[in-house]
Amino acid sequence: GDSVTQMEGPVTLSEEAFLTINCTYTATGYPSLFWYVQYPGEGLQLLLKATKADDKGSNKGFEATYRKETTSFHLEKGSVQVSDSAVYFCALSSYRDDKIIFGKGTRLHILP
Amino acid sequence: DVKVTQSSRYLVKRTGEKVFLECVQDMDHENMFWYRQDPGLGLRLIYFSYDVKMKEKGDIPEGYSVSREKKERFSLILESASTSQTSMYLCASSLGTASSYNSPLHFGNGTRLTVT
Repeated sequence: GDSVTQMEGPVTLSEEAFLTINCTYTATGYPSLFWYVQYPGEGLQLLLKATKADDKGSNKGFEATYRKETTSFHLEKGSVQVSDSAVYFCALSSYRDDKIIFGKGTRLHILP
Repeated sequence: DVKVTQSSRYLVKRTGEKVFLECVQDMDHENMFWYRQDPGLGLRLIYFSYDVKMKEKGDIPEGYSVSREKKERFSLILESASTSQTSMYLCASSLGTASSYNSPLHFGNGTRLTVT
């Protein structure tokens, strides 16, 4: 079935470092791709999305590009802040299963 | 902004009790979902509903049931709570079906349930 694989955490970085969280997927057809973020004590919220190949989603300084050839949707940010500490989930919309499929999440710690 | 409200942030129940987790959304969304979140396992879909009085099993429905009597409210029921159901429970809603890219999920803040 359709699936999402993302790098395991926790990832610990210093403030202002460059961030990459890897995400790859397996899917039938052409899914939409998402990154959700979960701040401490809260539910998930949509961070960004991309709906077709080569689309770039961006929000709050984060970016991810839909790469069909490598079936990837890596999350990047040029300069992280302490406030970016959270759990990040990569997800896809499975047309075959008609549901959103999530990766297992990557916990990010940013040190001041 | 869409608001999804879960009635309790923390619950402690005893083994064998019947447990109700309530979720209300205020944006007239058709679709509602219940997930559980466990370390190392990510989010797993328990049940979902695309309409009032309609329900569909997700990936891990065993030991759970749901009720959707009104469009805005979706309840998760643990008929006889067990320690294996200790978890974080997340409710979500969306406007369209999962295959609609214009319909991201909107989540509540979660209910952390402990069964002793």
